[in-house]
Amino acid sequence: DTGVSQDPRHKITKRGQNVTFRCDPISEHNRLYWYRQTLGQGPEFLTYFQNEAQLEKSRLLSDRFSAERPKGSFSTLEIQRTEQGDSAMYLCASSALNIQYFGAGTRLSVL
Amino acid sequence: DAKTTQPNSMESNEEEPVHLPCNHSTISGTDYIHWYRQLPSQGPEYVIHGLTSNVNNRMASLAIAEDRKSSTLILHRATLRDAAVYYCILWAYGQNFVFGPGTRLSVLP
Repeated sequence: DTGVSQDPRHKITKRGQNVTFRCDPISEHNRLYWYRQTLGQGPEFLTYFQNEAQLEKSRLLSDRFSAERPKGSFSTLEIQRTEQGDSAMYLCASSALNIQYFGAGTRLSVL
Repeated sequence: DAKTTQPNSMESNEEEPVHLPCNHSTISGTDYIHWYRQLPSQGPEYVIHGLTSNVNNRMASLAIAEDRKSSTLILHRATLRDAAVYYCILWAYGQNFVFGPGTRLSVLP
């Protein structure tokens, strides 16, 4: 049984660098979500895919953020020109119906 | 903005029942009540959900008030592994999950 997996688990980068995170959802799930979570807060929705189509993006997702889900399988979240305020846990979830299954997240630290 | 209100923190003794409250006075007829929990260094984990009737599963029970403006997550016998942040979320088809800060549950041995 493979759940949602995210890679890497931790990423440390310098301000101004680009970073890319990967999410592998549960194989039969057609919906995939990205969230961001800062310390002491609940996860905040960033974007959502149904198969390969990106159907919704939060206003939190600035132009420096881009997400893809080619062929409706794995997804990547790229942050360009990282800023210290981007430091957070980035969570991915997948679902088939109304229950979301989350990965363990990628913790990003921007120095 | 989260549409639910939960206490910031609660404490329980090990092997005792825990009742985690959630207020959702603006709930609409199509909103489901979902509960997730997040253990340290992990992503959120589904616990239970319901619409109008009380629900039971192997993890917990969900008691929904008759007017649906509040609900209670019941852990029948808390263990140390139940220490987590518990989130109460209203969800309807076509909407996204909106997480609040949740309730941090501490379980004392």
